[in-house]
Amino acid sequence: RKEVEQDPGPFNVPEGATVAFNCTYSNSASQSFFWYRQDCRKEPKLLMSVYSSGNEDGRFTAQLNRASQYISLLIRDSKLSDSATYLCVVNQRFQKLVFGTGTRLLVSP
Amino acid sequence: DAMVIQNPRYQVTQFGKPVTLSCSQTLNHNVMYWYQQKSSQAPKLLFHYYDKDFNNEADTPDNFQSRRPNTSFCFLDIRSPGLGDAAMYLCATSRDPGGLNTEAFFGQGTRLTVV
Repeated sequence: RKEVEQDPGPFNVPEGATVAFNCTYSNSASQSFFWYRQDCRKEPKLLMSVYSSGNEDGRFTAQLNRASQYISLLIRDSKLSDSATYLCVVNQRFQKLVFGTGTRLLVSP
Repeated sequence: DAMVIQNPRYQVTQFGKPVTLSCSQTLNHNVMYWYQQKSSQAPKLLFHYYDKDFNNEADTPDNFQSRRPNTSFCFLDIRSPGLGDAAMYLCATSRDPGGLNTEAFFGQGTRLTVV
């Protein structure tokens, strides 16, 4: 079993749609959780951290369920510019940052 | 201003010829990471440093070595590059995870081609 797993997609959605990504992690000792965005041939960039209480940043909402070892990202009112790969990242013990396999999102006009 | 800087951005090396990639940071972060990312795959952690403590991933080939002479610099040495080592190599840093904000900051990567 991979340490961090995501549905690879691609998710093809029209502009304005709401789309949700899921991520599961295997190490129950994981401490911190993040969503990164990566555009083609670019480095990953932090989209948002994920807190236990859930958090929202504009059109983006992240949730964490420690009991189920599950993280989610919800994007509302999708824009063409949201097209990218979304990477779930888990900070395990001893500062080890592990990436999920990534989910590709394609938003079409 | 770039906070994590990787040099060079593009590197072409010959099969079997040692190559070194460099990374520097202005963030004074304790932790530095090296990731390998192949086309259409997620970044794969090769190793990381917490200060001077080196942590190698179990499946990182012996062909890959790293040095961290000081807080600001970290190097990735590939002793005998093979065609399968062609990839984007990403350097990242993060703070001491004693706090909440432990997200990683990435350099722009070095794209390695092996010919």
